[in-house]
Amino acid sequence: QVQLVESGGGLVEPGGSLRLSCAASGFIFSDYYINWVRQAPGKGLEWLSHISGSGTTIYYADSVRGRFTVSRDNAKNSLFLQMNSLRAEDTALYYCARVGARGVHHMDVWGKGTTVTVSS
Amino acid sequence: QSALTQPASVSGSPGQSITISCTGTSSDVGGYNYVSWFQQHPGKAPKLLICDVTIRPSGVSNRFSGSKSGNTASLTISGLQAEDEADYYCSSYSSTKTLVFGTGTEVTVL
Repeated sequence: QVQLVESGGGLVEPGGSLRLSCAASGFIFSDYYINWVRQAPGKGLEWLSHISGSGTTIYYADSVRGRFTVSRDNAKNSLFLQMNSLRAEDTALYYCARVGARGVHHMDVWGKGTTVTVSS
Repeated sequence: QSALTQPASVSGSPGQSITISCTGTSSDVGGYNYVSWFQQHPGKAPKLLICDVTIRPSGVSNRFSGSKSGNTASLTISGLQAEDEADYYCSSYSSTKTLVFGTGTEVTVL
């Protein structure tokens, strides 16, 4: 079935780096934009980035631009979020979400998320 | 990229209707018909309820409906049920080609 599975989360010290992955299955991965969205503990959803199916178009939220980099490997049906210069406020559950036919606001499939904790 | 404004909480009795507002600006909600609504139960991933202001994906109950007037979008839940108790988020495409979420609304079924 159509599925997204995030991995790579963990505990990292402030200033450190982490690389998250999002593995897709059940659909033609290269046909779809993908969003990264995060949710800090007890807080709301925050959009971080979206990447086109080809990987050539990428947009970032101001809060992560210059620190986070999104990429994808369509041959491996995988999406990546490289997170550098991590801060305590980056502590959150990180989701990848498939963008449906209606545009980047149309997130029709979500993973279960992977948890990132930034702490010394 | 300021978050869209939603009421922190809304409550209603079973069978009643409630409406959740989502206020943005002319650069996001007011400028595009690209508003979505998501439902999130505790410990679960968000679920798409409404897309393009009014469109319900297949499988979503017709008790959920969306609308928009100016810079404010709204989600109405009719015939409130216990299973509707959850957090609800709106989102909108913006003029900067990014996406912005609402602050979230906790719905309580009394």
